[in-house]
Amino acid sequence: KQEVTQIPAALSVPEGENLVLNCSFTDSAIYNLQWFRQDPGKGLTSLLLIQSSQREQTSGRLNASLDKSSGRSTLYIAASQPGDSATYLCAVTGTSGSRLTFGEGTQLTVNP
Amino acid sequence: SAVISQKPSRDICQRGTSLTIQCQVDSQVTMMFWYRQQPGQSLTLIATANQGSEATYESGFVIDKFPISRPNLTFSTLTVSNMSPEDSSIYLCSASGTGYEQYFGPGTRLTVT
Repeated sequence: KQEVTQIPAALSVPEGENLVLNCSFTDSAIYNLQWFRQDPGKGLTSLLLIQSSQREQTSGRLNASLDKSSGRSTLYIAASQPGDSATYLCAVTGTSGSRLTFGEGTQLTVNP
Repeated sequence: SAVISQKPSRDICQRGTSLTIQCQVDSQVTMMFWYRQQPGQSLTLIATANQGSEATYESGFVIDKFPISRPNLTFSTLTVSNMSPEDSSIYLCSASGTGYEQYFGPGTRLTVT
């Protein structure tokens, strides 16, 4: 059974700092990995999707990497802003290509 | 990408009643899913909504409690039946196409009193 772990559970940083969020998964047989953002009481916004054959994806100040063999992914946020404050969720899709398994999330607070 | 809407956005219901949540996608999608997010926790998959046939439920979730319909490729409903306070959660609909990237609706915040 796939298990996804995110470290740290919570992170508080001053504005402008670069930061890294970590995600690990136990079964390397994945189809893809997604990073999501969730604001309090809201739905999920897809940030980045990395296919199993890819090593990284970039969107603006966000960069996500994938090391499938070691079961790890990182989300790098450059020059953090207070508007980045949210919970960040990592999720993997199994090789059947359907169900997502989520981590518990990292709650990020960026202080002005 | 797909844009997903859900109705209602929130509701407060009494114990023992039922609530039906609607999910509408703006384009035809291959798969639709229903998730539950209990307070302070991550998402748990309830079931995969199959078009024209019975939904596929995850362990711990049953059709009598969470009946699901998917009459076409862009619409699905989830009913939370005979509610108790333990059903208070955010319920989220998601959809994916052939690339298996999943998009989520804004969620329905349910409070059961």
